[in-house]
Amino acid sequence: DGGITQSPKYLFRKEGQNVTLSCEQNLNHDAMYWYRQDPGQGLRLIYYSQIVNDFQKGDIAEGYSVSREKKESFPLTVTSAQKNPTAFYLCASMGLELYEQFFGPGTRLTVL
Amino acid sequence: QQQVKQSPQSLIVQKGGISIINCAYENTAFDYFPWYQQFPGKGPALLIAIRPDVSEKKEGRFTISFNKSAKQFSLHIMDSQPGDSATYFCAARLYNQGGKLIFGQGTELSVKP
Repeated sequence: DGGITQSPKYLFRKEGQNVTLSCEQNLNHDAMYWYRQDPGQGLRLIYYSQIVNDFQKGDIAEGYSVSREKKESFPLTVTSAQKNPTAFYLCASMGLELYEQFFGPGTRLTVL
Repeated sequence: QQQVKQSPQSLIVQKGGISIINCAYENTAFDYFPWYQQFPGKGPALLIAIRPDVSEKKEGRFTISFNKSAKQFSLHIMDSQPGDSATYFCAARLYNQGGKLIFGQGTELSVKP
């Protein structure tokens, strides 16, 4: 079954803690993306990666970090420096010769 | 300007009616305009998309109209059904930034039976 998986589905974090969200794809896509979604707002790009071991900041990268050690995986770390981390986080991937981004099911992060 | 402005924010339509959602942009570096459908608690899924050299694209009950000179595009849902109730996002792709998509703010559509 091809697709994008994100885990966990729900995540609770105490203030001051770092937390890592998982994103895995078996579509053999080169590009991967992390978005943040807040109520009543569109998706905002946090980081993206077009190739292994390389990634670029999106529009709201402050307080987040990523790595791309494998083509299939693009984990996102929400650090304690992120002032308002409670949100719905979406991972997406795309083949570079294509136009469509495929989205995972999302992780809802709540800071207590 | 990389913004994509979407309206209305919410829309209520009777079953069988036409739902119309509009988007506008300013950046001419966009080369692909997709529409995504998102159900609560789920990731967005591509509904239909258009390139700027085409003025209209139709897939089933869903049609995109594209006006390049006005920098506007819209989604029409014909014969709207309660199952179409979802949030719809327009987006635009920057051709020179790794497939980066700029999203509109979203429209919450409710189709009443």
